[in-house]
Amino acid sequence: GESVGLHLPTLSVQEGDNSIINCAYSNSASDYFIWYKQESGKGPQFIIDIRSNMDKRQGQRVTVLLNKTVKHLSLQIAATQPGDSAVYFCAESGGSNYKLTFGKGTLLTVNP
Amino acid sequence: SAVISQKPSRDICQRGTSLTIQCQVDSQVTMMFWYRQQPGQSLTLIATANQGSEATYESGFVIDKFPISRPNLTFSTLTVSNMSPEDSSIYLCSAHTGSPSQPQHFGDGTRLSIL
Repeated sequence: GESVGLHLPTLSVQEGDNSIINCAYSNSASDYFIWYKQESGKGPQFIIDIRSNMDKRQGQRVTVLLNKTVKHLSLQIAATQPGDSAVYFCAESGGSNYKLTFGKGTLLTVNP
Repeated sequence: SAVISQKPSRDICQRGTSLTIQCQVDSQVTMMFWYRQQPGQSLTLIATANQGSEATYESGFVIDKFPISRPNLTFSTLTVSNMSPEDSSIYLCSAHTGSPSQPQHFGDGTRLSIL
């Protein structure tokens, strides 16, 4: 749901569980989507990206799913580890200018 | 992937003063961007730093407040002018090679507090 100020959407999981982080986007013209992980005191770190001509893309322990019909993006993390604890942002762009519009972010906490 | 270094990593400044943040990329890149991240919030694009020409600013951001330079393909600066406490934020530099197969990479940001 909506987040204001410090109240990021949060997801708390047990170590070893799978995590699913969701993101809704608003611009139908967006054709590129990307997930970043941001740890405290660091800049966003690239995780995985996907173009609008694909529905699914897999990386190492991560999968991104894109549903253009409902403008929804999700990030699945398999066998979540304590080191996965961070804020996760989705972002979108359209055209060739590569300007990113970021979502609000989700705080993932992995309990050992 | 490009390695992006920002200086300073953090600073505490008096209101009314200005601070210039530097961004250095370890390889030539087509595009460089500046973002602002207010405490506990997401990232908002300030401007695209254009090499050899004036930056392109997003709605709500103006050159007088956030002058940007980009003298070459590896370096850019962002100045936060006439600072007020509302300017307390993290300022992040990013870079993109211009290749569709490459993602945009970020520096670790400059954490700015205005007293």
